[in-house]
Amino acid sequence: EVQLLESGGGLVQPGGSLRLSCTASGFTPSDYGLNWVRQTPGKGLEWISYISGSSSIVDYADSVKGRFTVSRDNAKNSLFLQMNSLRVDDTAVYYCARDTDLTYFDLWGQGTLVTVSS
Amino acid sequence: SYELTQPPSLSVSPGQTASITCSGDKLGDKFASWYQQKPGQSPVLVIYQDTQRPSGLPERFSGSNSGNTATLTISGTQPMDEADYYCQVWDSNTYVVFGGGTRLTVL
Repeated sequence: EVQLLESGGGLVQPGGSLRLSCTASGFTPSDYGLNWVRQTPGKGLEWISYISGSSSIVDYADSVKGRFTVSRDNAKNSLFLQMNSLRVDDTAVYYCARDTDLTYFDLWGQGTLVTVSS
Repeated sequence: SYELTQPPSLSVSPGQTASITCSGDKLGDKFASWYQQKPGQSPVLVIYQDTQRPSGLPERFSGSNSGNTATLTISGTQPMDEADYYCQVWDSNTYVVFGGGTRLTVL
């Protein structure tokens, strides 16, 4: 089955760090760009990071630039998001999503909840 | 930065046509995609590259994009179509942009 499965979410204090993982199955991850998209409870979708299939291109939304780092290990079918200096407004459900031709997201994970609170 | 604007909500009766709009500067020059999200679920792609429908998606879903407006049209809307709908584009400067979402109510 073609799917993405996130893990690593949880409760963290402001200023803390957390590392999210996303495991791909049913397809060859290196053939696709992968992204992180988050959704604040009750709010809309916000793209936060992209990494190309070969990891040669990465990009971030301004809201997380300098604090979050995206990486991937194609041999392990895995995508990661290292989140540092977390803030209360980083609280959200984080989804990994596969993109096609830098135009649309055709596969989404089930999401993992990150709560930043003291 | 590039912005996409959607109406916050839309209500239609079962069997009617629902048209959800998405506005942005010269949006017609970009490829628009649409996602459906039901409560507690992940988003699902319903339209890509303006007009394309993923395999298995009902034919009642269609899309268009011209000028400054992209439109998702659901013909013969069914109660199961009640959901939040988001438009999305890739922008050379902002990278990925989502609209604020439209809650479609079928009643």
